[in-house]
Amino acid sequence: SQQGEEDPQALSIQEGENATMNCSYKTSINNLQWYRQNSGRGLVHLILIRSNEREKHSGRLRVTLDTSKKSSSLLITASRAADTASYFCATDDDSWGKLQFGAGTQVVVTP
Amino acid sequence: NAGVTQTPKFRVLKTGQSMTLLCAQDMNHEYMYWYRQDPGMGLRLIHYSVGEGTTAKGEVPDGYNVSRLKKQNFLLGLESAAPSQTSVYFCASSYSRGGNTGELFFGEGSRLTVL
Repeated sequence: SQQGEEDPQALSIQEGENATMNCSYKTSINNLQWYRQNSGRGLVHLILIRSNEREKHSGRLRVTLDTSKKSSSLLITASRAADTASYFCATDDDSWGKLQFGAGTQVVVTP
Repeated sequence: NAGVTQTPKFRVLKTGQSMTLLCAQDMNHEYMYWYRQDPGMGLRLIHYSVGEGTTAKGEVPDGYNVSRLKKQNFLLGLESAAPSQTSVYFCASSYSRGGNTGELFFGEGSRLTVL
């Protein structure tokens, strides 16, 4: 079964707007990671947040982690057409030491 | 900068045929993984390896076998392909620090169709 569940499943925005997607998970984690997948390509790592961190930034990306609610959010600010992709959260499960992925959020940014 | 390389990129099989997918990484990573990606289901872990000579089952291991004879290579085998194994297969590798998984580096995928 999947550990992470993203919400929404799909998101359509215009260039310049912010995009926010959420990830909920079920068990305790070592870290949570976000990945991007362009159509027909492999996944690319975006950002990793450890269980003892609450917020992390990388360029136009902002990730938050609330371990009490077992949830994370990814914010992409000032979206560009090139941000069109699927975004996945992945959790490093405490007992397995490997990642489990959610089903992803498909983001479309229109010019 | 090769990173993670998967071969072949595309393959069509008939039910019952066998094949092997090859994954090679040049980053000296200890951990390697095979995932499958199906529409609407994200990635599901098939098998993984935490080092040369070791393999372990993931979420969906049935119908697949793996081998990690060399640190840089991780092979995924289908002994008798079934239509349910039609999917996109991704190999990934990562370093590990104290049991925690670091970022994964993915290959570009191998698209397998079983008729």
